Amino acid sequence: GESVGLHLPTLSVQEGDNSIINCAYSNSASDYFIWYKQESGKGPQFIIDIRSNMDKRQGQRVTVLLNKTVKHLSLQIAATQPGDSAVYFCAENNAGGTSYGKLTFGQGTILTVHP
Amino acid sequence: DAGVTQSPTHLIKTRGQHVTLRCSPISGHKSVSWYQQVLGQGPQFIFQYYEKEERGRGNFPDRFSARQFPNYSSELNVNALLLGDSALYLCASSLEGSDQPQHFGDGTRLSIL
Repeated sequence: GESVGLHLPTLSVQEGDNSIINCAYSNSASDYFIWYKQESGKGPQFIIDIRSNMDKRQGQRVTVLLNKTVKHLSLQIAATQPGDSAVYFCAENNAGGTSYGKLTFGQGTILTVHP
Repeated sequence: DAGVTQSPTHLIKTRGQHVTLRCSPISGHKSVSWYQQVLGQGPQFIFQYYEKEERGRGNFPDRFSARQFPNYSSELNVNALLLGDSALYLCASSLEGSDQPQHFGDGTRLSIL
């Protein structure tokens, strides 16, 4: 889940479509995961979180899926809107270990929603 | 309710100078973490403080230091600034517990000339 490079993956969708953003994490000891949305000029905004004792969690228009076997996390956004356009980051933490509040972020995905 | 507030929003410094960045957490949050975000990358962890004690430190040189005050606000200090320190510095606060979501401020954009 370490960020690398300057070329972020991109996802372009039409307004009203469903979006799926994927993230692979690296630490098998990670047990807490968060999705953030970051708009230009702003800090990351909390979207949804999930603990490792769950494999699915739903929020308003968003669903997070966790597959611990393959260390994969996904964020599904239903009925995507132009206001959803932003960079999306997954972050992981080993909450049960000694890393305390250290979040490790993925590289991010640029989501562009076309009207 | 007010979110995490950071000051200043923008700052320009020259190499060799030092800088102090400030953060006020969400009311009721006792944990504050600092991150550095270079353009095009995800945030990188620098420090976490809880109840004025340092709980974690990322892979940053000793030029970086921080502290937390009794009112849970925090300062990040960087000495002997280098061009590579140019970045967005983010502060996040959370409730006690490493499985609590961290909420971020909009950061301080630091430019080193």
